[in-house]
Amino acid sequence: DSGVTQTPKHLITATGQRVTLRCSPRSGDLSVYWYQQSLDQGLQFLIQYYNGEERAKGNILERFSAQQFPDLHSELNLSSLELGDSALYFCASSQGGGREQFFGPGTRLTVL
Amino acid sequence: DQQVKQNSPSLSVQEGRISILNCDYTNSMFDYFLWYKKYPAEGPTFLISISSIKDKNEDGRFTVFLNKSAKHLSLHIVPSQPGDSAVYFCAASASGGTSYGKLTFGQGTILTVHP
Repeated sequence: DSGVTQTPKHLITATGQRVTLRCSPRSGDLSVYWYQQSLDQGLQFLIQYYNGEERAKGNILERFSAQQFPDLHSELNLSSLELGDSALYFCASSQGGGREQFFGPGTRLTVL
Repeated sequence: DQQVKQNSPSLSVQEGRISILNCDYTNSMFDYFLWYKKYPAEGPTFLISISSIKDKNEDGRFTVFLNKSAKHLSLHIVPSQPGDSAVYFCAASASGGTSYGKLTFGQGTILTVHP
């Protein structure tokens, strides 16, 4: 158990819909990262937040957005969902200056 | 543009023998490297890391070697155990700038350790 929690574990929805994925980092970790793992793309970095501020951005679609709240939990919002958005979404956290990231169990999103 | 490559999709090893997983990278800005293990239906689990100022790091049965001139790193598992059977991912990060914190992953190598 990494100490990072993600909810929900599974999510099934339809094209065009909007969903919110939630992540709680390890106690004391200020940084939260979101990654997408699809079958053909491997693990791809989406976005990083540090203590409530956006720190780094990867190839995140404009339909996706994220935020980190004062209690340090983070949410990833996916809108206008397409079939190709079906993937595993992982959240990770690290200490402020730490290079090691600790991953949650992931949310499996299925868009029908 | 795949900046981190794991060219072997799979590796099969006998219990008790050495497992060697390889990883190559192209981006010379990478200065920190990590190995993760992943079981099905779970998130990646951090195993071991190495900074570019070192060429070796050991933690129990796991040793990571870094050859900066060849832009190559490897993970050695000795002795291999059936519980080591999983997907192993190599990851890299660069310090500074807008890339700080971002991990770039390889495609993974499926390790199977036979009893």
